[in-house]
Amino acid sequence: SAVISQKPSRDICQRGTSLTIQCQVDSQVTMMFWYRQQPGQSLTLIATANQGSEATYESGFVIDKFPISRPNLTFSTLTVSNMSPEDSSIYLCSVVGRGTGPYEQYFGPGTRLTVT
Amino acid sequence: AQSVTQLDSQVPVFEEAPVELRCNYSSSVSVYLFWYVQYPNQGLQLLLKYLSGSTLVKGINGFEAEFNKSQTSFHLRKPSVHISDTAEYFCAVSEIWGSGTYKYIFGTGTRLKVLA
Repeated sequence: SAVISQKPSRDICQRGTSLTIQCQVDSQVTMMFWYRQQPGQSLTLIATANQGSEATYESGFVIDKFPISRPNLTFSTLTVSNMSPEDSSIYLCSVVGRGTGPYEQYFGPGTRLTVT
Repeated sequence: AQSVTQLDSQVPVFEEAPVELRCNYSSSVSVYLFWYVQYPNQGLQLLLKYLSGSTLVKGINGFEAEFNKSQTSFHLRKPSVHISDTAEYFCAVSEIWGSGTYKYIFGTGTRLKVLA
């Protein structure tokens, strides 16, 4: 399995600002994803981060609000822009690793974001 | 469209007692099935998966699950729980579309609380 780190682990931000979350994997991976987990709720897929091209967003999520980069096979960033208190969530990066079984996703530890 | 239902939002159980966490899904195509565990303030960890073959699958920490295609269920069981099993458990489904898809749909989660 891949070892995934996320930075920052948590942050408290003011309304209207932006935060960039980094996801680093210790090996090259096939696919990378970004999820949101709102307090006490399940996970919702935000987008698939595509290496070298624009991310693929799920319904209800747009690039202007959640710009994503993936410059190589081991790194991705998610920016939460113009934040509001409704953006307070845990943001999770996940990957499908090379050499792992099909369709298995491995998750990073998450970034806990609080917007005041 | 696919969906995942975890009927029990919370399950309290005494230590060393057996437990079953229920998961039902709906899909018009074949699926892969997963159970993940999330300990407090951590990311998700893969417990077990069903891809094909035997319908009874064993995972880490003594957990097992049985795939029942006719009932579209994938219930998670453990014969004897420990205090350390206290966590949130998520069922996830990935539909098989031939060309390969890694998108998960997560259930709403079941909070397992093991009582001394």
